[in-house]
Amino acid sequence: GENVEQHPSTLSVQEGDSAVIKCTYSDSASNYFPWYKQELGKRPQLIIDIRSNVGEKKDQRIAVTLNKTAKHFSLHITETQPEDSAVYFCAARTYSSYKLIFGSGTRLLVRP
Amino acid sequence: KAGVTQTPRYLIKTRGQQVTLSCSPISGHRSVSWYQQTPGQGLQFLFEYFSETQRNKGNFPGRFSGRQFSNSRSEMNVSTLELGDSALYLCASSLETGGYEKLFFGSGTQLSVL
Repeated sequence: GENVEQHPSTLSVQEGDSAVIKCTYSDSASNYFPWYKQELGKRPQLIIDIRSNVGEKKDQRIAVTLNKTAKHFSLHITETQPEDSAVYFCAARTYSSYKLIFGSGTRLLVRP
Repeated sequence: KAGVTQTPRYLIKTRGQQVTLSCSPISGHRSVSWYQQTPGQGLQFLFEYFSETQRNKGNFPGRFSGRQFSNSRSEMNVSTLELGDSALYLCASSLETGGYEKLFFGSGTQLSVL
């Protein structure tokens, strides 16, 4: 079945440093890869997404890269700030499956 | 526009009981998905509904069921509760227009099984 593996499970960085979270998906038919951020006690919210016909997408300090051959995609956060501290979830979806499969999450802590 | 609303916010039940959770999607959204969130396990897909039809379901036992009404509101039911069912249950709605939809999550129902 479909599976998304996410690493690391926890990540601690100094404010201003970069953070990278990596995910691997199993279903080669997956074509949509969103990232959700969940702050403590709040609901998950979409921060960026990428489709399978694109290799990279940026939005200010965050970027996502996709390697379809290796079935890897990654989230890059530059110039991290304390408000970036949260749990980040990657996900993958196959167009016809009507379900989004999430990774197990990465708890990011940005130390001031 | 009102967001996704889930009720109740908290529930405490005992083993063997059953529970029904409710989700009202954003107005105009016809797709509703349910997820179980537990520490360390991330978000586990339960099922997805669109226009009252279940289009996919995750790997959960038959004790977990759901339905969607004509106004797109959805309910999920868990029968014969087990301790391991304690979790945050999140629902999410989307427009469903082409496969790349953004999910809008509710605040969730925190279920505790004693």
